[in-house]
Amino acid sequence: AQSVSQHNHHVILSEAASLELGCNYSYGGTVNLFWYVQYPGQHLQLLLKYFSGDPLVKGIKGFEAEFIKSKFSFNLRKPSVQWSDTAEYFCAVNPSYGNNRLAFGKGNQVVVIP
Amino acid sequence: GAGVSQSPRYKVAKRGQDVALRCDPISGHVSLFWYQQALGQGPEFLTYFQNEAQLDKSGLPSDRFFAERPEGSVSTLKIQRTQQEDSAVYLCASSLEGQGTYEQYFGPGTRLTVT
Repeated sequence: AQSVSQHNHHVILSEAASLELGCNYSYGGTVNLFWYVQYPGQHLQLLLKYFSGDPLVKGIKGFEAEFIKSKFSFNLRKPSVQWSDTAEYFCAVNPSYGNNRLAFGKGNQVVVIP
Repeated sequence: GAGVSQSPRYKVAKRGQDVALRCDPISGHVSLFWYQQALGQGPEFLTYFQNEAQLDKSGLPSDRFFAERPEGSVSTLKIQRTQQEDSAVYLCASSLEGQGTYEQYFGPGTRLTVT
């Protein structure tokens, strides 16, 4: 079974600062990779995803993530955060073939101070 | 269009009571998933349906948990004889097809508190 690790569960930063959230997974085969975001009071929604091709993927609201296969990582980045980026961010994976149940990390609670 | 809806949004149950949680997926979505999210944790997989067939129930924590999707649309997650450790947010997600490349759309969740 696959597993996902996210570090630095709580992140506090000021507006305009850069954000990078780490995600490492363990799985023997090829995987699909996702970042989901949950804004306060809202449900989980997809931020970006990687299936194949260019390992640098761009998502909504200026976020991007880079898949580094050799490091089993899929780190999320945003060059300049806004107060509205305050949310909880979850990394998730599922196998490229077969059962598409998602395995999630524990999440990063990000607070952006105006 | 309408997203995934879940009801009730909040449920308080006394230990030992049975509860039923409902999920209305996006119309036409073949696949339906249930996840459990404990406080401070990420969602954890419980079970998966493709149409009315329950193809994977390996994540159900005990035989007190039961899920069904009899007509391939609405799904119900039932927990019998609730325990305090069942307190969590229960998330439902649906996707158009079963392959992993299809995005899962999540509902708002049902927050279950067992007292």
